[in-house]
Amino acid sequence: QSDLTQPPSVSGSPGQSITISCTGTSSDVGKYDLVSWYQQHPGKAPKLIIYEVNKRPSGASNRFSGSKYANTASLTISGLQTEDEADYYCCSYAISDSWVFGGGTKLTVL
Amino acid sequence: EVQLVESGGGLVQPGGSQRLSCAASGFTFSHYWMHWVRQGPGKGLVWVSRINSDGANAVYADSVKGRFTISRDNAKNTLDLQMNSLRDEDTAVYFCVGGWNYKFDLWGQGTLVTVSS
Repeated sequence: QSDLTQPPSVSGSPGQSITISCTGTSSDVGKYDLVSWYQQHPGKAPKLIIYEVNKRPSGASNRFSGSKYANTASLTISGLQTEDEADYYCCSYAISDSWVFGGGTKLTVL
Repeated sequence: EVQLVESGGGLVQPGGSQRLSCAASGFTFSHYWMHWVRQGPGKGLVWVSRINSDGANAVYADSVKGRFTISRDNAKNTLDLQMNSLRDEDTAVYFCVGGWNYKFDLWGQGTLVTVSS
């Protein structure tokens, strides 16, 4: 049950787009289309923003989109807004009926 | 309004035990898988355990297997986590999470467990 690999930080200016990668293995990201993404503001609980690689839950902004190729999933945020500044975590269902998270990426909106 | 309210956190000595509880309301608790996810101080999210909707099946992360036990009471809409043989590295905020189809939909605000002498 190893962590998925995310960049520690990314940054962008308002209005720009950024992409956060999430690299796993053939036992998790590569095996299942069950990657989800979570946004966490400081001191708050995480919030689901993408599930099953590229689906948005009700209420999530359409500026969030997801994709996957082989063992790597990606989250793209378009039209960056100041309120997007937060930590982002990917997560994948994995073999042995378990879940594994990425280490998290801190997004700074300059 | 959907609510998940954790309780039971606090300071515990290494080797000790602690029981966390989560009270659910505002949704059909018995339909959801329930999980515990933890977050160490300044660290990332870590999945801890899952119990299925009827409570018949539970799975655990390797780091807690044999020490933690998850349980639920669908009549009372509650989820518990019994934690034994606690270690320093178990220090974290523990989130109660409701999940549907392999994702984490509903989150509580968390309860802090500090393992220290």
